[in-house]
Amino acid sequence: AQSVAQPEDQVNVAEGNPLTVKCTYSVSGNPYLFWYVQYPNRGLQFLLKYITGDNLVKGSYGFEAEFNKSQTSFHLKKPSALVSDSALYFCAVRDITSGTYKYIFGTGTRLKVLA
Amino acid sequence: DAGVIQSPRHEVTEMGQEVTLRCKPISGHDYLFWYRQTMMRGLELLIYFNNNVPIDDSGMPEDRFSAKMPNASFSTLKIQPSEPRDSAVYFCASSLQAGIILGQPQHFGDGTRLSIL
Repeated sequence: AQSVAQPEDQVNVAEGNPLTVKCTYSVSGNPYLFWYVQYPNRGLQFLLKYITGDNLVKGSYGFEAEFNKSQTSFHLKKPSALVSDSALYFCAVRDITSGTYKYIFGTGTRLKVLA
Repeated sequence: DAGVIQSPRHEVTEMGQEVTLRCKPISGHDYLFWYRQTMMRGLELLIYFNNNVPIDDSGMPEDRFSAKMPNASFSTLKIQPSEPRDSAVYFCASSLQAGIILGQPQHFGDGTRLSIL
């Protein structure tokens, strides 16, 4: 069965430092991988995706993610964190080869950037 | 460009009452998803539609929950009768079919915060 795991409930980082939010996945076939961000009282907003091609994908607000097939990971990164990056981050995956159009979302990681 | 629109944003009602949540997807999108978010269970997919037809409702928790999509621009999620454990934030999201094959993302509304007393 398809699944995605976010091993950290919360990540704390100082403003200006690099940040990493971890995600691992398990699918049969080729994964479509996504990162979303959720601010308080708002819906999830799309940040970036990996479909095929370069393993390093760039997205909104200076975020990027690295796809690693051998480690089945898709970690979200940013070189220099901002206080305004504090939010809840979700990793999601869909295995299109199964014919489903469902997204499987992780449990979310709360990022807190400290001034 | 209007996003996914949900109404109401907040709903407080007493248990046993009927609750109807509404969603207007992005124009041209032909997949529509209903999710529920709680602290305990995270984000759960309840049901999704393709071209107004329900495709997978395996996430609908009980018969008290029902969803309809009478046309491409409107969907409802109904709870009857409501119970306190239904309290959650309910999200609607939409996406393009062609986009799904190519990996286009879902676009979420800002949700309905439902409180059942």
